[in-house]
Formats: sequence, structure tokens, C-alpha cells
Amino acid sequence: DVKVTQSSRYLVKRTGEKVFLECVQDMDHENMFWYRQDPGLGLRLIYFSYDVKMKEKGDIPEGYSVSREKKERFSLILESASTNQTSMYLCASRVAAGGSPLHFGNGTRLTVT
Amino acid sequence: AQSVTQLDSQVPVFEEAPVELRCNYSSSVSVYLFWYVQYPNQGLQLLLKYLSGSTLVESINGFEAEFNKSQTSFHLRKPSVHISDTAEYFCAVESNTGKLIFGQGTTLQVKP
Repeated sequence: DVKVTQSSRYLVKRTGEKVFLECVQDMDHENMFWYRQDPGLGLRLIYFSYDVKMKEKGDIPEGYSVSREKKERFSLILESASTNQTSMYLCASRVAAGGSPLHFGNGTRLTVT
Repeated sequence: AQSVTQLDSQVPVFEEAPVELRCNYSSSVSVYLFWYVQYPNQGLQLLLKYLSGSTLVESINGFEAEFNKSQTSFHLRKPSVHISDTAEYFCAVESNTGKLIFGQGTTLQVKP
């Protein structure tokens, strides 16, 4: 089974801190994604990556950046955390584009105070 | 920009009743369509998908979805629901650029 591991299940940070959310997949998948999940808004795409060192903006990239130095690892960075970034963050990976399904991690619930 | 609309945020239904969860998407090009499910306190998992071919696709637990190109819809149905189907359901669309967009989600509440 594909395993997508997010480094933290719960995280509490202060406003203005730089925050790193880490995601690792173990199946040599090309594509990786970061979403945030908020009640009533569903999943919104922040960034995705087709391959190592490649990244594409999603629908809500403002305030976030990403890093993919190795194929198995996709990091989401909040440059200066704000309270409106309090959310559930979901990482996912898939083999490649073209209809292959996403495999999700268990999520990181981030609270910014 | 591509979008996915799930028309109902919550659907309450009694056990053994039929249910339909609606999903519409905006796209003028060929897409791939998915339904994902999130059971309480669990991660998202794939329920079923449409890639090509027969417009009716089925899951292993009795759900089915029909791709309707003219109406740009991909509604999810089950003829008889169980308590264990209580979950949040997400419709998703992959565009020809590979971007995967989700709808707002529909919470299915099955009552005894």
C-alpha cells in the first residue's frame, strides 16, 4: 500500500512564525499536492508538483511556498504564519497525471495563535 | 478557471433509503472525474472514478456515479444506504493540465 506520511498530526504556532509542514511518500510517485481543508469550503489546492524541483501554483498560493528537492518529499512553508492559515493541511501523491488517483496523508491540523 | 460544485452541503437520509449526491463541474475539455470519501476521523480515500468508456461507474460498496457530458455532471447514487455510509463525500475533477480540483463536500448523515 502507498504510504503518505505527514510529519505532524497537530501543530500550534504563533503569528509571524515560519512554519514547515513535511510530507513523504514511499511509492516513487511523480506528482505531489498540498491542499487545505476548511468546513464548507472543501479542499482547496495550494501548490502541486509534477516532479522534483518543479512546482505549480494552485488556487490559493498566497502566503505559502513549497520545496521539492527529492522525489519523495514535498514541503509546505508558511513564510509568516497568520491566524487565517489555521486549518487542516492535506498532502497527497499520485503516480502521474492522467487519471491516477490521489493517495492522502492523515493531515496536519495547524493552529496559529 | 475550472470549478466543481456540490449542490448540497448536507444530506440527511434514513437507513435503507436511496440517496443522490450531486456534482457539477465546469469544463469544456475532456476531464477525469472522481468521488472521494472521508469517514469520521479518517483520511480521504478514493470511492470511484471515471476515465473513459462506460458512463456508469461503480464502487465495491454499492455506490455508482454517472458521467453526463451534456450536463457536465457526475452525480453519486446508492439505492439503499447503511449507517456505515455516514461520511463526507467529495467530487473532484482532473483537467487536461493535470490539476485536480475538489468540490466543497457533501456530508451524508444516515439515520437509523
